[in-house]
Amino acid sequence: TQLLEQSPQFLSIQEGENLTVYCNSSSVFSSLQWYRQEPGEGPVLLVTVVTGGEVKKLKRLTFQFGDARKDSSLHITAAQPGDTGLYLCAGPHSGTYKYIFGTGTRLKVLA
Amino acid sequence: DVKVTQSSRYLVKRTGEKVFLECVQDMDHENMFWYRQDPGLGLRLIYFSYDVKMKEKGDIPEGYSVSREKKERFSLILESASTNQTSMYLCASSLSGQGIYEQYFGPGTRLTVT
Repeated sequence: TQLLEQSPQFLSIQEGENLTVYCNSSSVFSSLQWYRQEPGEGPVLLVTVVTGGEVKKLKRLTFQFGDARKDSSLHITAAQPGDTGLYLCAGPHSGTYKYIFGTGTRLKVLA
Repeated sequence: DVKVTQSSRYLVKRTGEKVFLECVQDMDHENMFWYRQDPGLGLRLIYFSYDVKMKEKGDIPEGYSVSREKKERFSLILESASTNQTSMYLCASSLSGQGIYEQYFGPGTRLTVT
């Protein structure tokens, strides 16, 4: 069974701090997506990583896909209150139409 | 931009009522999904459809049915709503076939069954 474990579960930090969120699996994924979900809203796609070792940047957010394509990380530099939300990683379940979702990291950035 | 819309943001229904949740996507995606999201349980797949009139059960299909008569529209039906179906319902769509196919989500419907 493919699973995606995220850590930490909860994170509360001050504005301006840096942080890293992890998404780990024992299975290989063909790609991983990262989403941010604000309260009462649907998840919004941030990025897709495809190649082992790939690094993608989206302003202050840096996403990395592990060399073996079993894990990924999201690093936020100089966090802002607008970064507050639930961060989800997800990937396609091999051989099916389904997606596996991570357990989520709930981030709160205090002004 | 991919756009997935859901018919209602908030719904309040009574136990036993039949409830229809509608989802429309404008990107000609083959796959469409219905999830529910509950605190501590994450996103759970209810049903998905990979083509018009085609559907497959997800992980928690009991108490739900779906309809996909047109490619862009996927409906979730609660045949007889119960209080344990109070939840956030999320619709998503994606391309199909080989390659990378990201899921795009609608804004969600917060359903309360009293």
